[in-house]
Amino acid sequence: AQTVTQSQPEMSVQEAETVTLSCTYDTSESDYYLFWYKQPPSRQMILVIRQEAYKQQNATENRFSVNFQKAAKSFSLKISDSQLGDAAMYFCAYRSAQGSSNTGKLIFGQGTTLQVKP
Amino acid sequence: DAGVIQSPRHEVTEMGQEVTLRCKPISGHNSLFWYRQTMMRGLELLIYFNNNVPIDDSGMPEDRFSAKMPNASFSTLKIQPSEPRDSAVYFCASSSGQGRRGNTIYFGEGSWLTVV
Repeated sequence: AQTVTQSQPEMSVQEAETVTLSCTYDTSESDYYLFWYKQPPSRQMILVIRQEAYKQQNATENRFSVNFQKAAKSFSLKISDSQLGDAAMYFCAYRSAQGSSNTGKLIFGQGTTLQVKP
Repeated sequence: DAGVIQSPRHEVTEMGQEVTLRCKPISGHNSLFWYRQTMMRGLELLIYFNNNVPIDDSGMPEDRFSAKMPNASFSTLKIQPSEPRDSAVYFCASSSGQGRRGNTIYFGEGSWLTVV
């Protein structure tokens, strides 16, 4: 069974600085997807960034980028130029690409609460 | 485009009452998921449907919980009778399952349930 681990329950960053959130996962599959979701106090789950395991290039979305190390099964999220609105809980998630229907559940890490200090 | 729509957003009910949570997935999406989030257990998958058919309901806690998807644009999660330990945020999510981009799952805003 696949597992996702976020070892940092809480992180803090100064506004305008850069912060990296860690995520490791365990799987025996070769084809899968990885995601970072943001959950602000409103509790809405917002997709931040996605990575396809077959792609070597790290995904980027504006100030958000990932460091995907497939061999090490590591998938960290880097937030550059942190803003007060980035304060939230961040979840790393795994989804299998196996199966003809390409469906499957998201497996979540425990989450990391990010505090942004003005 | 409209996202995943859930109702009610908030519900407070008394123990023993029936609770029905509703979800409208994104139009064209053929996979639908119900998740529950609590402080103790984090995010748990309760059930997911593909083309309106339940594929995996192993996460449904017990017989008090039931989920239906009568058509491609509507699903319900029912708790009967409700108990205080059911208090949580319940998320509905959907994905298109079409090609590589279809593997992104989009979430609704959640239904906050409090059972007193």
